Amino acid sequence: QSVLTQPPSASGTPGQRVTISCSGSSSNIGSNTVNWYQHLPGTAPKLLIYSNNQRPSGVPDRFSGSKSGTSASLAISGLQSEDEADYYCAAWDDSLNGYVFGTGTKVTVL
Amino acid sequence: QVQLQESGPGLVKPSQTLSLTCTVSGDSISSGTYYWSWVRQPAGKGLEWIGHIYASGSTNYSPSLNSRVTISVETSKNQFSLKLSSVTAADTAVYYCARDTHYYDSGGWVNWFDPWGQGTLVTVSS
Repeated sequence: QSVLTQPPSASGTPGQRVTISCSGSSSNIGSNTVNWYQHLPGTAPKLLIYSNNQRPSGVPDRFSGSKSGTSASLAISGLQSEDEADYYCAAWDDSLNGYVFGTGTKVTVL
Repeated sequence: QVQLQESGPGLVKPSQTLSLTCTVSGDSISSGTYYWSWVRQPAGKGLEWIGHIYASGSTNYSPSLNSRVTISVETSKNQFSLKLSSVTAADTAVYYCARDTHYYDSGGWVNWFDPWGQGTLVTVSS
């Protein structure tokens, strides 16, 4: 069972803005940085956001991350069909002394 | 360009030990810059971190798997490996290896995985 909670699904039409929430606790998001991964079935997960709000080279600026207290969020602006995927938040957990992933959110482009 | 590739048996019998190897190219495990992680995803479920290892051999494991997991490193071959003992059907999953950036600064632990291997499906069945 994951200690980071995400909504199971999110959707939007092309061009819309979609936001995904990630709720944690003081031992993970509240104490450490948050990352976001994009995962298409059958492929390797892709790092989308690291250190709360940093984009790796090659990730479009349509993707943005933020963190406040024990929660974090990923925003996708200008939604595109290729954004249809599963998205996971993740962070180190001090109590577990390990890395924890969120429950995952499936984004559908309508 | 850094690449990771998982290898190992795709079928393991219940109660036996699952063994996988990750071969790294384009980077040197012995450089000591990164940790090296294993992550898995059971069919229809989310991602689960298994554990990681540093070049020195220092490890951290997920508490839920700690009693059954061993991660080791062979720097001469630029490989690291996963062993999971006493497997059951619940261990059937796609297993990924990944390069793990992991350090502590004023903002807490900074930790991310990039890049990842393509993943390998391991099925536990008799």
